[in-house]
Amino acid sequence: GEDVEQSLFLSVREGDSSVINCTYTDSSSTYLYWYKQEPGAGLQLLTYIFSNMDMKQDQRLTVLLNKKDKHLSLRIADTQTGDSAIYFCAERSDSWGKLQFGAGTQVVVTP
Amino acid sequence: NAGVTQTPKFQVLKTGQSMTLQCAQDMNHNSMYWYRQDPGMGLRLIYYSASEGTTDKGEVPNGYNVSRLNKREFSLRLESAAPSQTSVYFCASSARDGRNEKLFFGSGTQLSVL
Repeated sequence: GEDVEQSLFLSVREGDSSVINCTYTDSSSTYLYWYKQEPGAGLQLLTYIFSNMDMKQDQRLTVLLNKKDKHLSLRIADTQTGDSAIYFCAERSDSWGKLQFGAGTQVVVTP
Repeated sequence: NAGVTQTPKFQVLKTGQSMTLQCAQDMNHNSMYWYRQDPGMGLRLIYYSASEGTTDKGEVPNGYNVSRLNKREFSLRLESAAPSQTSVYFCASSARDGRNEKLFFGSGTQLSVL
């Protein structure tokens, strides 16, 4: 499949905003997703965005999509210790028809 | 409220041993998946089943076999385990709405092959 890339680590102070970035290469991507994995658990869907949208807001989460640059970001406002987890970006494209995941970004929230 | 259930949670094998990882979902989903998760590599698709009675290879199928026993259950078999198969394995099922596909994951099986 095509590549989905993320930075591996992000450290953020409690109360600050976190921004996790992701780039992808498949131009036929239709939906893009953010999943959260807490220690010892499986992945949970956080949010998703359709490729014809630029932005989606869901409570403390804001997803921005720049389709021209194939860049996706997830902003978490007022980051809490419970937000410490690994965040995975994934894209679903017409070319493969299944989700392609990035390597995950470990977010550590410090008091 | 079970969702996707995987067993076992942990397993240690010796090289050459065989085992089957079990997965069941109670959400009436058609599609089911097996992934492996390795540090720095994200999730890689091993096999998937788009519907009961069908299975297809994913990115990394070598050394594995699968069985879609019925709509609920999708098992993954390692016939002769190798150290390279040490990983965390996740089963998932999906709800599809057009081209939007939301995956629901089990809690994983940590497998060590010595």
